[in-house]
Amino acid sequence: SQQGEEDPQALSIQEGENATMNCSYKTSINNLQWYRQNSGRGLVHLILIRSNEREKHSGRLRVTLDTSKKSSSLLITASRAADTASYFCATSRDDKIIFGKGTRLHILP
Amino acid sequence: DVKVTQSSRYLVKRTGEKVFLECVQDMDHENMFWYRQDPGLGLRLIYFSYDVKMKEKGDIPEGYSVSREKKERFSLILESASTNQTSMYLCASTPGQGVIGQPQHFGDGTRLSIL
Repeated sequence: SQQGEEDPQALSIQEGENATMNCSYKTSINNLQWYRQNSGRGLVHLILIRSNEREKHSGRLRVTLDTSKKSSSLLITASRAADTASYFCATSRDDKIIFGKGTRLHILP
Repeated sequence: DVKVTQSSRYLVKRTGEKVFLECVQDMDHENMFWYRQDPGLGLRLIYFSYDVKMKEKGDIPEGYSVSREKKERFSLILESASTNQTSMYLCASTPGQGVIGQPQHFGDGTRLSIL
């Protein structure tokens, strides 16, 4: 299975700190995406990184991809209360996209 | 902005009923998806469609069917609802016929309870 597995399953940090979440997968991929899901809502796409890219930035988000280790990380800098959500990685290969089980991030005031 | 609208946020039905979940997108996307989301299991793909009247089975199609009569609308049907189909159902869409790896645009989900 190419399914991404996020780590940790849950994370609590103080507001203003940085949050790092990891995703590991098993087979080669075309791209890897990160999504956010607020409680009771649908998923929102955050960032896509292609297999030939190593790092991408979007605002306070930084994503890295290491295809040799089959892993990716999502860094949220200067966290805010509004960042409290679940974060999912999704790996894409050919005609298939598979979502991981997510990391629950809680930002403490 | 792409808008994916699911007809109900919450739905309660009884065992054995035929249940319809509706999804409409307004950006002329070719591909549409139905997922279910359960605690500890993440998102699992039920069916997807890359064109009108076309459908492909996902990972867990048993007990479900779909209908795509118009490009903007993708319906999920529970033929005879059972309690193990109690779940959060999410619809999504992407552009580019058959191109699955594009960023997906999700609706807000339907939380379905089968009693």
